[in-house]
Order: sequence, then structure tokens, then C-alpha cells
Amino acid sequence: RKEVEQDPGPFNVPEGATVAFNCTYSNSASQSFFWYRQDCRKEPKLLMSVYSSGNEDGRFTAQLNRASQYISLLIRDSKLSDSATYLCVVRKYGNKLVFGAGTILRVKS
Amino acid sequence: DTAVSQTPKYLVTQMGNDKSIKCEQNLGHDTMYWYKQDSKKFLKIMFSYNNKELIINETVPNRFSPKSPDKAHLNLHINSLELGDSAVYFCASSPSDLAEQYFGPGTRLTVT
Repeated sequence: RKEVEQDPGPFNVPEGATVAFNCTYSNSASQSFFWYRQDCRKEPKLLMSVYSSGNEDGRFTAQLNRASQYISLLIRDSKLSDSATYLCVVRKYGNKLVFGAGTILRVKS
Repeated sequence: DTAVSQTPKYLVTQMGNDKSIKCEQNLGHDTMYWYKQDSKKFLKIMFSYNNKELIINETVPNRFSPKSPDKAHLNLHINSLELGDSAVYFCASSPSDLAEQYFGPGTRLTVT
């Protein structure tokens, strides 16, 4: 079983739609959780950290369920510029990050 | 004023050759990393250095040798390149080992 699992997609949505991505992780001792965004042929960039109480940053909402070992990302009012691969990332211990393979989002006009 | 830079951006070479990839960060960060992203897009950590000291060394063939001459630089030398080494190699840095990691633009290595 992969340490971090994501639905690879692609998710094809129209502009303005709401879309949600899910991610599960296998190590219950995982300490921190993040969503990164990676554009085609570019480097990953931090989108947001994920906190136990859930957190929001503009159109983006992230939630964590430690009991189910499940992380989600909700994007409201999708824009064309949101098209990218979204990487679920878990910190196991120290500074070691474990990346999921990513979920592809395509927003179309 | 690039934060994390890597050279070269593209590298095409033949099996058996030895090559190096250089990474520099001008953010004043203490920790630097090398990641490999293969054709299936999995991004996996290879090495991490904190203030020039190796702190993470994943299961990587010993043909790969990182070198950190100072805390702003982390280079990756690869001996006897193999076809399976073809991938995108990303350098990253962070202010501390628990902080956000900033990635360089990547080096696309193709071994023929």
C-alpha cells in the first residue's frame, strides 16, 4: 500500500465549479499535512498547510480527519488558472515529506 | 533574484557517464534537499542536509553522492549513469527542518 494515496483524476470541471480532492495516508504517526500544487513541467509549490480544525484560504478549504487518516481539499469557484496537479503531502518525522502521486485538475471554459 | 536555482535545466547523457547537478539557494536557509520525480510523477526524497551535515539518506544507490560545500549549496554527483536514472531532479530548501520547503525549477535528466 502506498504511504499517501490520491485519485489521479483527471478531474475535468467547468469554470465556476466546486471540486474536491481526497487523500489517505497510511502512517498514523504522521505529524503534518500539506497540499502542494505543481504546474506542468514546473516545480511543486506549497498551496496550504492542513490543520486539524480545518482551514480556509480564499477559495480553498482543507480538512484533516486523523481518525480516518484522510485529508481533503475543496476548491470553490474554479478558475482556469487552477488547472494543475495537486499533491497531497505528509510529514512522517523530522523533515521527511512523503508526496502522493497527485490529482490532475483541468478547468475548462 | 531566483530563490532556489539549479543547473543545468536539461541534461542528456549516455549510460555509464558521470554527471553533476548543482543547486544554490539565496534564502539563507539551513536545510537543503534532493528529490527525484520519476515518469509516474512520484516525488521522492533522496537526501537532506542541515548546515552542511547529512541528515536524511534514503535508499539511494551509492552511485549518487551529494556534496554540500556550504549551507547555500547542495550538489548531486551521479556516477555510472543508468537508464533508470532518467527523471526530473528537484533541489529544495527550508529555513528549518520543520518549515515549508521551497523547490528549485528542476533538472530533467535523460540517460540514453
